[in-house]
Order: sequence, then structure tokens, then C-alpha cells
Amino acid sequence: AQTVTQSQPEMSVQEAETVTLSCTYDTSESDYYLFWYKQPPSRQMILVIRQEAYKQQNATENRFSVNFQKAAKSFSLKISDSQLGDAAMYFCAYRTFNSGAGSYQLTFGKGTKLSVIP
Amino acid sequence: KAGVTQTPRYLIKTRGQQVTLSCSPISGHRSVSWYQQTPGQGLQFLFEYFSETQRNKGNFPGRFSGRQFSNSRSEMNVSTLELGDSALYLCASSYGDIYGYTFGSGTRLTVV
Repeated sequence: AQTVTQSQPEMSVQEAETVTLSCTYDTSESDYYLFWYKQPPSRQMILVIRQEAYKQQNATENRFSVNFQKAAKSFSLKISDSQLGDAAMYFCAYRTFNSGAGSYQLTFGKGTKLSVIP
Repeated sequence: KAGVTQTPRYLIKTRGQQVTLSCSPISGHRSVSWYQQTPGQGLQFLFEYFSETQRNKGNFPGRFSGRQFSNSRSEMNVSTLELGDSALYLCASSYGDIYGYTFGSGTRLTVV
């Protein structure tokens, strides 16, 4: 079964600085999708960035970028120029294919709580 | 366009009762998935519906069930509530599997 590990339960960053959140996963699939979701106190899971495994180029969305190392099964999220609004729980997720059901589901890591210090 | 809407936002039920949660997906999205979020277990997949059919189910007891209507709105039902069912229940809709998922704000269920 696929697993997703986020080894940093909590992290903090100074406003305007850069922070990197770690994520590793275990899979035997060769083609898959990885996601980072943000969950602020409002509880809604917000998609931050998505990476397709067959694309070697790292995904970037404004201040958010990933370092995708397929061989190492690592998918870290870098947040540049951190803002107070970035404070939230961040979840790494792997899109798992259930061959029996013929459909996909997300497997999440336990999350990293990011605090931004003014 | 409107996002994923979950109702109610908060719910308090007594052990042994049953509860129904509702999810209205983004217009045009035919896939609706449900997840349970607890501090101990994190986010766990419950089930997924596509075109009114349950296509996939996670490892949860039969007390957890759901359905999807022709307008893609989905409901999940939990019968014979237990204290351990207290959780945030999140619904996510998708246009297609490769496009990712849009989540609602969840329903916070407390069982007393």
C-alpha cells in the first residue's frame, strides 16, 4: 500500500523568509500525481500545487514550488517570501489508483503545522 | 463559480443515533469523494461516487454509507454513532481524476 510521510509535525518561519516542508512517499507505480494541500483554520483544504510524476520539471505556482526527486520518492514544498496568510496545516498527498475499483483516491500524510512569525 | 458546499458545518449527536451529511459539488463535477479527518488517524478515504454509483470504498465499517443523486449532490450517513466517529468530514469533488480535487469546508461532527 502506498504511504505518505511528513516528518516535520511543526515548523515556523519568519515573515518574508523561505521555508521547505518535507514529504516522502512509497509506491511501486511509475505514473502518479502528487499534491500539496493547505488547510487554514477555516478547515477547507486548498490545493497549493500539483506534480505529475512523468514530468521531470518541478511544478511552480507563484511563491510555491516543489523539489520532486522521483528516484528518492521525495516531494518537498518550498514557500518563498512567507506571508502571515501562509500559516496553516500543510498536507502532502499521493493519488492512489485502486485497480479493483477502477478509480483514484488520495492518500495523505499526517501534515505539517506551519507558523509564520511577524 | 460556487465551490463545494457542505452542510451542516457543525453537528452534535448522541451515541447510538444516526446522522446524514450533505455535499454539493462544483457544477459539472461528477465525482464526489468523502474523507474523515481526526487528530489521531489523520485524513482517511471513506468512499467515492461517480454518476450515482459508488466506485470506491475505504476501510470503514458498514455503518458508514453514502449515495449520490442525479444532480451529483452526495450524502453520507453514519448509523449507530460511536464516540470515535467524532471527526471533521470533508467532501471533495472532481471533474476528472487528473484534474485534482476541490474540497469543501467540512462538517464537524461531535458524538457525545
